[in-house]
Amino acid sequence: AQKITQTQPGMFVQEKEAVTLDCTYDTSDPSYGLFWYKQPSSGEMIFLIYQGSYDQQNATEGRYSLNFQKARKSANLVISASQLGDSAMYFCAMREPLGGNYQLIWGAGTKLIIKP
Amino acid sequence: AAGVIQSPRHLIKEKRETATLKCYPIPRHDTVYWYQQGPGQDPQFLISFYEKMQSDKGSIPDRFSAQQFSDYHSELNMSSLELGDSALYFCASSFGTGQETQYFGPGTRLLVL
Repeated sequence: AQKITQTQPGMFVQEKEAVTLDCTYDTSDPSYGLFWYKQPSSGEMIFLIYQGSYDQQNATEGRYSLNFQKARKSANLVISASQLGDSAMYFCAMREPLGGNYQLIWGAGTKLIIKP
Repeated sequence: AAGVIQSPRHLIKEKRETATLKCYPIPRHDTVYWYQQGPGQDPQFLISFYEKMQSDKGSIPDRFSAQQFSDYHSELNMSSLELGDSALYFCASSFGTGQETQYFGPGTRLLVL
């Protein structure tokens, strides 16, 4: 069963606009973590933001914020004032237990293109 | 700040050859993860090491093996390469295996001809 769902395969957004990338997840574990990573065309995987399941407040990192709605099991990424350099693939990932440790489960990604 | 280092960045091999990918984690990180990302796909977890011991195994083929050395660097050894092994191979590191964020290296792009 798909555990991380990103429903937007691709998005076009005008420069300077805010953009919301959707992510829903499925887990029965009360302790989990949610991550967003950015992958530009050059290929590297860049960590953006993290939200723990017990965190009371939504995570923020500069222009990135995570709209965490626990009851709905959603963890949408919001990028304010988008820039041309934000064009990239964006992956939502969830950390879940594997054996005695943890692994990352990934969504299929959203390709974001910022238009000038 | 120092990041995860992977070498080589690009590698071209022929079918049935072997390849060795190297990963140098962020200083003081004791956990290394290997991922495989096929074209247009999300990363797939292969294997991880904590304190030089294998901690978890994902979808790693039997033809692949890996280890973590005393200086915490890790190597992924791939034998009898197949066309389907062409992918971007990421190494990530973290401090501990619990709640810590995994930081990724730039990846090694492997092309099998």
